[in-house]
Amino acid sequence: GQQVQQSPASLVLQEGENAELQCNFSSTATQLQWFYQSPGGSLVSLLSNPSGTKHTGRLTSTTVTKERRSSLHISSSQTTDSGTYLCAPGSFNKLTFGAGTRLAVCP
Amino acid sequence: EAGVTQSPRYAVLQEGQAVSFWCDPISGHDTLYWYQQPRDQGPQLLVYFRDEAVIDNSQLPSDRFSAVRPKGTNSTLKIQSAKQGDTATYLCASSSSDWGEQYFGPGTRLTVL
Repeated sequence: GQQVQQSPASLVLQEGENAELQCNFSSTATQLQWFYQSPGGSLVSLLSNPSGTKHTGRLTSTTVTKERRSSLHISSSQTTDSGTYLCAPGSFNKLTFGAGTRLAVCP
Repeated sequence: EAGVTQSPRYAVLQEGQAVSFWCDPISGHDTLYWYQQPRDQGPQLLVYFRDEAVIDNSQLPSDRFSAVRPKGTNSTLKIQSAKQGDTATYLCASSSSDWGEQYFGPGTRLTVL
């Protein structure tokens, strides 16, 4: 089955710094979503980006389908960005989640 | 547009007890998913439906877990004879098969003592 590796496992930033989160997966995927989960909270869909580059607000995702990898860039981080970022590649509406990158942004 | 709703938000059980979780997907979404998320891990798919039909339940522990979506709208996930290893957050998500992007509910946090 699909294996998903996210790196780094955790990251600490000062407010205003940028973050680069990586996601590598083992099998071809026709879907890919990035999610945010606050501590004890539910999952919020950030981006759906199965291929190419996509921007929304301070977020930029780049997925290279042939290389089975995706990245999420967060610019000008804020303390409210703290939480866990999960990558989920998939096909036929079935997603497989990584363990996530835990981000802490300090004031 | 209302999001995915789930109830209850929290449940605490003794081992051996039964519990049911309820999910109401986003209106118009034909595909509904149940995930289990242990602490500090990513969600793991248990079962998913398209309309009332089960598409994949290969990861559902069939001896104690069951899930139904009888009219293709709301769904119920039931655990009979809960074990401590079932302690996790149970998440429901829905999507339109045309678009595929999944939207999640707030989850039910289950603790089995």
